[in-house]
Amino acid sequence: RKEVEQDPGPFNVPEGATVAFNCTYSNSASQSFFWYRQDCRKEPKLLMSVYSSGNEDGRFTAQLNRASQYISLLIRDSKLSDSATYLCVVPRGGYNKLIFGAGTRLAVHP
Amino acid sequence: EAGVAQSPRYKIIEKRQSVAFWCNPISGHATLYWYQQILGQGPKLLIQFQNNGVVDDSQLPKDRFSAERLKGVDSTLKIQPAKLEDSAVYLCASSPIRVDRTYEQYFGPGTRLTVT
Repeated sequence: RKEVEQDPGPFNVPEGATVAFNCTYSNSASQSFFWYRQDCRKEPKLLMSVYSSGNEDGRFTAQLNRASQYISLLIRDSKLSDSATYLCVVPRGGYNKLIFGAGTRLAVHP
Repeated sequence: EAGVAQSPRYKIIEKRQSVAFWCNPISGHATLYWYQQILGQGPKLLIQFQNNGVVDDSQLPKDRFSAERLKGVDSTLKIQPAKLEDSAVYLCASSPIRVDRTYEQYFGPGTRLTVT
């Protein structure tokens, strides 16, 4: 089993839609989790961090289910500018080493 | 604040040739990372430096890849000889040393390597 697994995508949604991505992780000892965003042919950038049950930032909500070992990212009222690949990230061995999932591609259309 | 700088942005070489990439991290960031991102996959850590010492190089193919960070600032990653499967984007990232924020890695634009 991979350390971090994500919905393969792509997700094609219209503007204004609500979309959710799931991510499962194998290390039950992981305490913190992150979502990075990567635009096409660009570098990854930190989007959100999740430490306890969840985190909310505007239209973005990240939730954590430790019992089932999965993290979700919910995007409400999708914008064209949300089109990107969303990478689920789990630290290994503390904060220093990050394990990236393969990413879920989102395409928002008019 | 200047971001992470990388060069070159693109490189095309033939298999068995050598190539080197350069990275200059954000000023003051003690930790520097090199990642390999193959198309359709997430970044995979190759090597991690803290100042000029190697913290983790467990996934670096040491028979052909080497990296150094001599003065604890900029770094170079070398591949010699290159194979077709080395075609990827090589990302450099840096992070501050504060324990509560080392997850926040700042990435450079990457070097897109094509091996023919």
